[in-house]
Amino acid sequence: NAGVMQNPRHLVRRRGQEARLRCSPVKGHSHVYWYRQLPEEGLKFMVYLQKENIIDESGMPKERFSAEFPKEGPSILRIQQVVRGDSAAYFCASSSDSLAQYFGPGTRLLVL
Amino acid sequence: EDQVTQSPEALRLQEGESSSLNCSYTVSGLRGLFWYRQDPGKGPEFLFTLYSAGEEKEKERLKATLTKKESFLHITAPKPEDSATYLCAVLPGNFNKFYFGSGTKLNVKP
Repeated sequence: NAGVMQNPRHLVRRRGQEARLRCSPVKGHSHVYWYRQLPEEGLKFMVYLQKENIIDESGMPKERFSAEFPKEGPSILRIQQVVRGDSAAYFCASSSDSLAQYFGPGTRLLVL
Repeated sequence: EDQVTQSPEALRLQEGESSSLNCSYTVSGLRGLFWYRQDPGKGPEFLFTLYSAGEEKEKERLKATLTKKESFLHITAPKPEDSATYLCAVLPGNFNKFYFGSGTKLNVKP
């Protein structure tokens, strides 16, 4: 009965490198959400995807950030040319009905 | 603009001292209001979903209630293991986007 899985749990990148964050939703869930959280702050919505489709990406910066949820395999959040301000915890959540979400343990990204 | 405000930001209780956390929201319609618990270094853990005013849900020492403008998370006789940050989120009627509050950090002292 696996929950949402995210990897890596911790990721260190130098400025200008690419970061790829992976999320495997709960088996049978077709809705995936990505959030960003800074220390002592709430979760900020980034993007909502269903299989092979981006439904709402209004919270994701237009440049350097992209997300996908292919027919097979995990959802990927990609950050190109990372900057120090991208350092944060990134959480993925999945749901079966676009209502109650179940979160993964997060990926802590540190940009040096 | 859709908005979610949680209060207080932080709450310190003695073990057994009951209290309530507040989540006020302004959204264009409401499809659902959600409560989560988040422990340090972990992802949020789903607690409750409320859909309409007057609805109540209970789980162990926690009880969530909903009105047209706010939700309360009541904690009865809390224990130290209830210490965590409690997050509230709303899903507006016409959107697919969840709005989260900044959370209430609860610390229960033995």
